[in-house]
Amino acid sequence: EDQVTQSPEALRLQEGESSSLNCSYTVSGLRGLFWYRQDPGKGPEFLFTLYSAGEEKEKERLKATLTKKESFLHITAPKPEDSATYLCAVTGQGGGNKLTFGTGTQLKVEL
Amino acid sequence: EAGVAQSPRYKIIEKRQSVAFWCNPISGHATLYWYQQILGQGPKLLIQFQNNGVVDDSQLPKDRFSAERLKGVDSTLKIQPAKLEDSAVYLCASSIGLAGGEQYFGPGTRLTVT
Repeated sequence: EDQVTQSPEALRLQEGESSSLNCSYTVSGLRGLFWYRQDPGKGPEFLFTLYSAGEEKEKERLKATLTKKESFLHITAPKPEDSATYLCAVTGQGGGNKLTFGTGTQLKVEL
Repeated sequence: EAGVAQSPRYKIIEKRQSVAFWCNPISGHATLYWYQQILGQGPKLLIQFQNNGVVDDSQLPKDRFSAERLKGVDSTLKIQPAKLEDSAVYLCASSIGLAGGEQYFGPGTRLTVT
């Protein structure tokens, strides 16, 4: 069974204070690792897909990286509008396009 | 491009009552998903459709939950009878196909069972 563990559960940063969120996974034949952002009262919003170890994707202040066991979401010089819950999910060989999610990291960026 | 639409946004019912949720996916998306998200947890897949056929319903509590996708477009998810532990946000998502790639989520329906 596919498993995703995210850490930390919650993270509080000052504006401009860079940090990283971790997603460790166990999956039979990784087909894709996904990062989503979820704001309160809304559905998850797609950020990145990573397919193989060594791959990196960037979008504004966010950069996602992937190894064979984990993924990191690096946040550089965050702003208050980056405050949200960040969810990591995987699809494996045996799961069709089924996403298995972690419980998320709740990020708060303060002025 | 219009996103995934869901209704209602909020619903409060008593236990043992029934409830239905509606989803309209992004136009042209063949695959539709229903997820359950309990407070503080990540979404959990309940059922997945490819056009109007079921691909995966292994985590759907079939004694009380049912879903259909007529004509391969809109979908409804029903709970009958509801239990207290069904209180959650029910998310609908769609994607172009089964071959992988991103899923796009609707705003969800927050269900409270009292």
